[in-house]
Amino acid sequence: SAVISQKPSRDICQRGTSLTIQCQVDSQVTMMFWYRQQPGQSLTLIATANQGSEATYESGFVIDKFPISRPNLTFSTLTVSNMSPEDSSIYLCSVVGRGGQETQYFGPGTRLLVL
Amino acid sequence: GENVEQHPSTLSVQEGDSAVIKCTYSDSASNYFPWYKQELGKGPQLIIDIRSNVGEKKDQRIAVTLNKTAKHFSLHITETQPEDSAVYFCAASKVAGGYQKVTFGTGTKLQVIP
Repeated sequence: SAVISQKPSRDICQRGTSLTIQCQVDSQVTMMFWYRQQPGQSLTLIATANQGSEATYESGFVIDKFPISRPNLTFSTLTVSNMSPEDSSIYLCSVVGRGGQETQYFGPGTRLLVL
Repeated sequence: GENVEQHPSTLSVQEGDSAVIKCTYSDSASNYFPWYKQELGKGPQLIIDIRSNVGEKKDQRIAVTLNKTAKHFSLHITETQPEDSAVYFCAASKVAGGYQKVTFGTGTKLQVIP
């Protein structure tokens, strides 16, 4: 399985500001995903990030609020823009290996608190 | 779209007893069913998975069963230990838009009492 790191691991932010979360993988991967996990809840897919193309967003998530970059096969960023307290969540990146493998592996998450 | 239901939401067992978590799914096209364990402050970790052409899979103290006809699958943990305490998520996955799209259950908080 891939080794995935995220930065920052946690942050406390003021409403109206933006935070960029980084996801780094130790090997080249085809698919990268960004999830949100609200307190005590399950995982909700925000978007799928493929290298060299625009991210694909799920219903209820928009690019203006959650812009994503995927500059290469080992790195991606998710920005949470114009934050409000409702954005307080854990943000997780996950990857699927090359070759159309099924299993998603998750990073440790970024714990965000918006005041 | 796919809907995955998971029960129970919380489960307390005595150390050494067994724990069973059950999930149902709605989309017959789902063909891959992973289970994740999430410890406090960490990301979900894959603990076992099963594909639709298999009815049961076992890995030491953990086993998963799948009933495709009834669209339900279960996680069984035997001889539970305090370190098994965590939140467990089931998931159902199918190919959509060129990749495996995963739908997660609502999670089960397992507490193993020493």
